[in-house]
Amino acid sequence: EPEVTQTPSHQVTQMGQEVILRCVPISNHLYFYWYRQILGQKVEFLVSFYNNEISEKSEIFDDQFSVERPDGSNFTLKIRSTKLEDSAMYFCASRRTSAYEQYFGPGTRLTVT
Amino acid sequence: AQRVTQPEKLLSVFKGAPVELKCNYSYSGSPELFWYVQYSRQRLQLLLRHISRESIKGFTADLNKGETSFHLKKPFAQEEDSAMYYCALSGAGTASKLTFGTGTRLQVTL
Repeated sequence: EPEVTQTPSHQVTQMGQEVILRCVPISNHLYFYWYRQILGQKVEFLVSFYNNEISEKSEIFDDQFSVERPDGSNFTLKIRSTKLEDSAMYFCASRRTSAYEQYFGPGTRLTVT
Repeated sequence: AQRVTQPEKLLSVFKGAPVELKCNYSYSGSPELFWYVQYSRQRLQLLLRHISRESIKGFTADLNKGETSFHLKKPFAQEEDSAMYYCALSGAGTASKLTFGTGTRLQVTL
């Protein structure tokens, strides 16, 4: 059964550095999402992406964040200048056009020091 | 605004006992509701969606629009049910982001 994959599984970076989190959605899915979960808190929506543009973004998704689908398979989340409070688990998800259920990747744990 | 409330952080039951994980939601339109499960160190997995009205691993959930609830139930808990359970809501709109509850940890003991 196809699954969403994410790399790396764990990323450690220094405050102020740029990070790129990578996701490969399920191949016939056209909607892509990023969520994050700060330790001990709930999963929060960051951004949705469809037809090569952002469909919706949350208040968290400020100018420091950007998303891209650089080729036919990858979907990336870039944080330009990381802050300590960006430390969290970042989940990528995708879904088909014809259904609402989303399928999640295993997550990338981002630690900002 | 859409909101999901899971009032219990932890639910501990004995093996073979019935389980009910509570979920209440707030949404002005007709929501799509889901239960996701996260086993230790694994990804979020879709367990149930309200529209399919199916039973997965013995779990069922009924959408009660009057009480705005979508409680997850299982008649007899198994050890392998121990996990984190998240209720999630998807509202209208093509992008249909998911809004999650805070999750309930189910602990099934012998």
